[in-house]
Order: sequence, then C-alpha cells, then structure tokens
Amino acid sequence: EAQVTQNPRYLITVTGKKLTVTCSQNMNHEYMSWYRQDPGLGLRQIYYSMNVEVTDKGDVPEGYKVSRKEKRNFPLILESPSPNQTSLYFCASSRTGGTGNTIYFGEGSWLTVV
Amino acid sequence: DQQVKQNSPSLSVQEGRISILNCDYTNSMFDYFLWYKKYPAEGPTFLISISSIKDKNEDGRFTVFLNKSAKHLSLHIVPSQPGDSAVYFCAASVGGSNYKLTFGKGTLLTVNP
Repeated sequence: EAQVTQNPRYLITVTGKKLTVTCSQNMNHEYMSWYRQDPGLGLRQIYYSMNVEVTDKGDVPEGYKVSRKEKRNFPLILESPSPNQTSLYFCASSRTGGTGNTIYFGEGSWLTVV
Repeated sequence: DQQVKQNSPSLSVQEGRISILNCDYTNSMFDYFLWYKKYPAEGPTFLISISSIKDKNEDGRFTVFLNKSAKHLSLHIVPSQPGDSAVYFCAASVGGSNYKLTFGKGTLLTVNP
C-alpha cells in the first residue's frame, strides 16, 4: 500500500528543545515536501526536495531544517522550537517528471510548543 | 499577499444537490490547478486537476471549470453526498508541476442528509 508515514503524530514540547519529525515514503518518489497548516492560512510549504541531497526552501522555511540523505526519508528538524511553530505539519511525496503527478500526503503531525 | 483565494470558509448543501466551491487566483503565471479534499485527522487527498490549456475537466461527480480571463476556477460536485463533507483546498502551480503548490485557505463543505 502506498504510504507516507509521519512520526510522531502528536507532540507537546517546550520552547528551545530540539525535535525532529520523521517522514518516510514507500513509493520510491523523488520529490518530497513539508507543509504546515494553520487556521485561516491553509497549507504553506516549508521545504521541498527534488531528490537525494537536493533541497530547497518553500514559502515559510524560517526556523526549520531538512535533510535528504536517503530517497525514502525526509525529516523536518526544529532546532529551537518556538510557540509560533505550533501547527499541523504534513509531509508529502510524488514522482517527478512530466505533469500531473499525484502528491501523496501523510496523515499529519500535530505539534504544540509551550 | 494571498495568491490563491477561497473566499467562502464554509458551504452547506443538501444531499443530492449541487455543491459549487470557488477559487480565485492573482498570479497569472499559474498554469496548473488542483483540488484536494481533507477529512479531519487525515492528510489531504488529491481530487481533480486542470491545466490552463483546458477550461473544463470532469471525473465522475466532480467537474472543475477554469476561467482564465477572470482568474477563477470552481469545483462542482453533482450530486452531493454526505461523504463529501470535508475541507476542500484549491491549489495552483507554475509549469504544471507539484513542486511548489500554493494553496488557498480551504472551504468546509457540509452535505446534509
């Protein structure tokens, strides 16, 4: 079954305590991305990766880091989380090349920073 | 500046009737448009898309219409079913890719039995 798996699904953490949200896909997709969803703002792209070792900033990259050492994994790192990073985070993946490739989203990770 | 706008936060329709969800965009470079559906506690799922070379795309009960001159697209669901109740996101990109999607804020559709 095609899957994008995120962990943890729910997390409450304190300001400044580094955390990593993992994302893994089993579809051999080249493209992976992170989005955050906030009330009244829709989904906004944080970072994306076109392939291993190739990453680029999205619309709201401040306060986040990513790495793409393996094709299937794309972790999101919050080095020093702050309350304004409290949000619902989605990882996504798709094939590249051509047009109209379907993006598959994970189920989301609820992050609360207190 | 929001480049993709869904001005109706919510919409309520009766089962069996038509649901029309609207989306406006400001960036004339957008040439590929998508609709995603999202249920609570789940990730968004792809519903239907349209390229700017078309003005209509149909998939079963779902039809997307694109009016490039008005920078407007709409999603029609006919007939609406209670299982269609979800948040619908409009998204757009440049160059027909999924790489940098710009999403609207979403519209909550409620279909009443």
